[in-house]
Amino acid sequence: AQTVTQSQPEMSVQEAETVTLSCTYDTSESDYYLFWYKQPPSRQMILVIRQEAYKQQNATENRFSVNFQKAAKSFSLKISDSQLGDAAMYFCAFEIQGAQKLVFGQGTRLTINP
Amino acid sequence: NAGVMQNPRHLVRRRGQEARLRCSPMKGHSHVYWYRQLPEEGLKFMVYLQKENIIDESGMPKERFSAEFPKEGPSILRIQQVVRGDSAAYFCASSPPGAIPNTGELFFGEGSRLTVL
Repeated sequence: AQTVTQSQPEMSVQEAETVTLSCTYDTSESDYYLFWYKQPPSRQMILVIRQEAYKQQNATENRFSVNFQKAAKSFSLKISDSQLGDAAMYFCAFEIQGAQKLVFGQGTRLTINP
Repeated sequence: NAGVMQNPRHLVRRRGQEARLRCSPMKGHSHVYWYRQLPEEGLKFMVYLQKENIIDESGMPKERFSAEFPKEGPSILRIQQVVRGDSAAYFCASSPPGAIPNTGELFFGEGSRLTVL
């Protein structure tokens, strides 16, 4: 069975600074996909960034980037120049290629201090 | 272009009653997924449906829970004889035909929060 672990229940960062959220996963599969989702107080799940396991290059989306370490099964999210609107729960998620379902971590609550 | 619409947003039921949660996917989407989020936890997959077909229900509890996605109308998640442990947020997501979640084309609704008294 696949598992996703987020070891940081809560994180905080000063506005405009950089923060890194950790995620590790466990799988015996070789073809899979990783995601970070953001859940603001409105509770809607918003895709932040995704990474294909076969790609060595780390994905980036504006201020969001990942550090994907396949051998270590680690997938951390870096948020640069943090903004107040980044405050939310962040969930790491995993999907085996073709499985059509996501496995989520427990989430990390990110607070941005003005 | 409306997103995934879920209703009701909040539902309160007493133990033993039935709960029905509805999900209208985005226009043009024919794949629907239901996830459950217990307090302070991540989302857990329940079921994946296409029009008139259940594709994967491996995450559905064996009893009291059922889901459908008829040819016309919204997808329905039905919970019979609710218990306090069913209290959770239930999220629906949709994707267009031919797409798979790992393309990032999975769009979530805002969820329906069920409270069982």
